[in-house]
Amino acid sequence: EVQLVESGGGLVQPGGSLRLSCAASGFTFSSYWMSWVRQAPGKGLEWVANIKQDGSEKYYVDSVKGRFTISRDNAKNSLYLQMNSLRAEDTAVYYCARDLTIFGVVPSYFDYWGQGTLVTVSS
Amino acid sequence: DIQLTQSPSFLSASVGDRVTITCRASQGISSYLAWYQQKPGKAPKLLIYAASTLQSGVPSRFSGSGSGTEFTLTISSLQPEDFATYYCQQLNSYPLITFGQGTRLEIK
Repeated sequence: EVQLVESGGGLVQPGGSLRLSCAASGFTFSSYWMSWVRQAPGKGLEWVANIKQDGSEKYYVDSVKGRFTISRDNAKNSLYLQMNSLRAEDTAVYYCARDLTIFGVVPSYFDYWGQGTLVTVSS
Repeated sequence: DIQLTQSPSFLSASVGDRVTITCRASQGISSYLAWYQQKPGKAPKLLIYAASTLQSGVPSRFSGSGSGTEFTLTISSLQPEDFATYYCQQLNSYPLITFGQGTRLEIK
């Protein structure tokens, strides 16, 4: 059974940092693009970042470029999101999501999602 | 950037109704579109991808159509468990991905 379990969320002050983790199981993690998607309270979905199977390509939404870093450790079946210089507008539930396509050359749709972890940026 | 606009933003319907949600892209995206269903407090669920391909395990009352700039999600006969928020998502501008603003479907 495919499982994605996020952790690392919490309350942080503006300007602070947080590192999110996503533990993957039930599939060959190293064969899939992975993404982070967030959802501000009461709002819609926003794709944040994605990373290729071997970590050689990483892409970000403009609003987090230079502040967030996506990474992965295929040996540990884990995905990460390092978030620096956090702002109030980064407050959201953060989901990790798996691509639909195994060995995809480009990112695809998201067929499995974690339960999400809440990040609250507030003083 | 490609923008996706869903209509309506809010829809009230009854069990058994046929409903259609539209997603319009600001420029052509071929068939690189998916639909997701999200219930309160839960992660989104993939329903349709590549505009019209039903994801495994999704009931056949869900269907998708369209290409280019206009797409539709149709639920042929609403069931109680279908009341949720629906989002479209485009991949044409990969690796950058965008979602529509969502359509909230509620019980009349």
